[in-house]
Amino acid sequence: EPEVTQTPSHQVTQMGQEVILRCVPISNHLYFYWYRQILGQKVEFLVSFYNNEISEKSEIFDDQFSVERPDGSNFTLKIRSTKLEDSAMYFCASTGTEQETQYFGPGTRLLVL
Amino acid sequence: GESVGLHLPTLSVQEGDNSIINCAYSNSASDYFIWYKQESGKGPQFIIDIRSNMDKRQGQRVTVLLNKTVKHLSLQIAATQPGDSAVYFCAENIHSSASKIIFGSGTRLSIRP
Repeated sequence: EPEVTQTPSHQVTQMGQEVILRCVPISNHLYFYWYRQILGQKVEFLVSFYNNEISEKSEIFDDQFSVERPDGSNFTLKIRSTKLEDSAMYFCASTGTEQETQYFGPGTRLLVL
Repeated sequence: GESVGLHLPTLSVQEGDNSIINCAYSNSASDYFIWYKQESGKGPQFIIDIRSNMDKRQGQRVTVLLNKTVKHLSLQIAATQPGDSAVYFCAENIHSSASKIIFGSGTRLSIRP
């Protein structure tokens, strides 16, 4: 069964450093998403991406965040200068059409020290 | 406003019994609802969904009920098993399943042997 994959599974970084989180969505999917989950809290929407551009972003997704689909398979989330409060699980999701549900990857646990 | 909330943060059920997890939503514009299961350290896993033109949908051992009049959603798990232990999130989309998912705060289901 096809699934969304994410790398790395864990990332530890120093405050102020740049991180890139990687996702490989399900291969025939067209809509891509990033969500995050701070420990013990609910999952929060960050950004959606379709047709090589951002469709929607939340207020969390400020200028420090960017997304890119550099090739036909990868979808990345970059945080330019990490802050302590960026520590969270980051989930990538994808869907093929507007009638299908979103499928989530296993997540990357980011810890900013 | 947009919000999806859960009535109970924790639910303890005897193995073999049925589980019922409830959820309230506040946005009348929501037209697609999803239940996700999240096990420790993993991403949200799709369980079942329902569109606003339905009031009941059944899957394997799971049933989702939607009451649009009182903006209430429930997930019923039949013959609960130890593997059902997880946090369950109700979630909603507005307008299409390709738009952002708004998650509720989650209910932790624990199974007593």
